[in-house]
Amino acid sequence: EVQLVESGGGVVRPGGSLRLSCAASGFTFDDYGMSWVRQAPGKGLEWVSGINWNGGSTDYADSVKGRFTISRDNAKNSLYLQMNSLRVEDTAFYHCARDSNFPFHYMDVWGKGTTVTVSS
Amino acid sequence: EIVLTQSPGTLSLSPGERATLSCRASQSVSSSSLAWYQQKPGQAPRLLIYGASSRATGIPDRFSGSGSGTDFTLTISRLEPEDFAVYYCQQYGRSSRMYTFGQGTKLEIK
Repeated sequence: EVQLVESGGGVVRPGGSLRLSCAASGFTFDDYGMSWVRQAPGKGLEWVSGINWNGGSTDYADSVKGRFTISRDNAKNSLYLQMNSLRVEDTAFYHCARDSNFPFHYMDVWGKGTTVTVSS
Repeated sequence: EIVLTQSPGTLSLSPGERATLSCRASQSVSSSSLAWYQQKPGQAPRLLIYGASSRATGIPDRFSGSGSGTDFTLTISRLEPEDFAVYYCQQYGRSSRMYTFGQGTKLEIK
């Protein structure tokens, strides 16, 4: 079964850090780019960051650029999101998702997500 | 940055009726980069349509996508009880290398 399972969420003070992990199974992990997408409480979807198959190319939403770092370990079938200088507005449910391959652009497998709460 | 605007914000219909959801882009979008998702409360989004009009694996044929350029449509031909959810459109900008989502349309039971 193709599956993504996130972990690492929690409650953190503004200015703090968290590292999210996403464990992939059921597919050849290094065949795919991956993304993180978040959803603030009661709000819509916001793409946060993406990484290509080998980690050589990364992209970020303007809202997190310079604070968040995406990475992957293909030997461990794992995706990560290092979140520094967290703000109250980063409070959200964070999903990892599998990117499609060229020429299409969509996310076809999603994890159930992990909750990040930034509060003083 | 391309902005996607979905309408209506909320759509109230009865089972068996036809639903038409709109997604309008602030500038032209490649059809290969346009997708639709369904999200139910407490669940992850589920891919419905990719490439503007291709159904994802396992998606019933009552779901269809159409459109090009700046105007795209998701149609549900005959609503089933399990179709009441929030629907998002999404595009990928090849120059920005970013995904963006519309704000969502909530499809509720009338």
